[in-house]
Amino acid sequence: DIQMTQSPSSLSASVGDRVTITCRASPSIGSYLNWYQQKPGKAPKLLIYAASSLQSGVPSRFSGSGSGTDFTLTISSLQPEDFATYYCQQSYSTPRTFGQGTNLDIK
Amino acid sequence: QVQLVESGGGLVKPGGSLRLSCTASGFNFSDYYMSWIRQAPGKGLEWVSYISSRGEITYYADSVKGRFTISRDNTKNSLYLQMNSLRAEDTALYYCARETVLSFLECFDPWGQGILVTVSA
Repeated sequence: DIQMTQSPSSLSASVGDRVTITCRASPSIGSYLNWYQQKPGKAPKLLIYAASSLQSGVPSRFSGSGSGTDFTLTISSLQPEDFATYYCQQSYSTPRTFGQGTNLDIK
Repeated sequence: QVQLVESGGGLVKPGGSLRLSCTASGFNFSDYYMSWIRQAPGKGLEWVSYISSRGEITYYADSVKGRFTISRDNTKNSLYLQMNSLRAEDTALYYCARETVLSFLECFDPWGQGILVTVSA
């Protein structure tokens, strides 16, 4: 199975901050990487697919990059509604696997 | 609009069985692979199973293989998860999700609201 490791596991930041979350895949997955946002009590929502493509309706302050084994999700200027948990997920092979999540909360 | 609604969850004793359902609307259900994904309380996301658009291909996580069965009825726009020999570690919020192909890969989009399964004596 492909292992997905996110860092950090938790992160405190302020409104307006630039934030970066990292996801590492083992072994390599090309660009078969998706990012999801989950708010408390809600289902996850797709943010980024194919490592760097923004899902329709997602604000442009979200961006993704990377390929192979190392990926990043960046929020350029945090807004109050961005405080949530973020997960990476690989679609390179089955079983699909997720990172353990990064909880982003207010400093 | 595209919508997925799960049902059938509840409290069950260890060793018991439960059948989850997911009813789809707003899209051509028979065109899509579908998955079940679960989330234990306070934990991360774990993919459980998927089924192909016509139901001829299924795949399971090792943690549920031999105990869970995924199926679908395209005439009813419905996805199912039959869960047998349930264990305490199966306690989770279970989501159904559509496997949407964007660019060149599959993504889970959208997700249902989730249904809680609690396995406890």
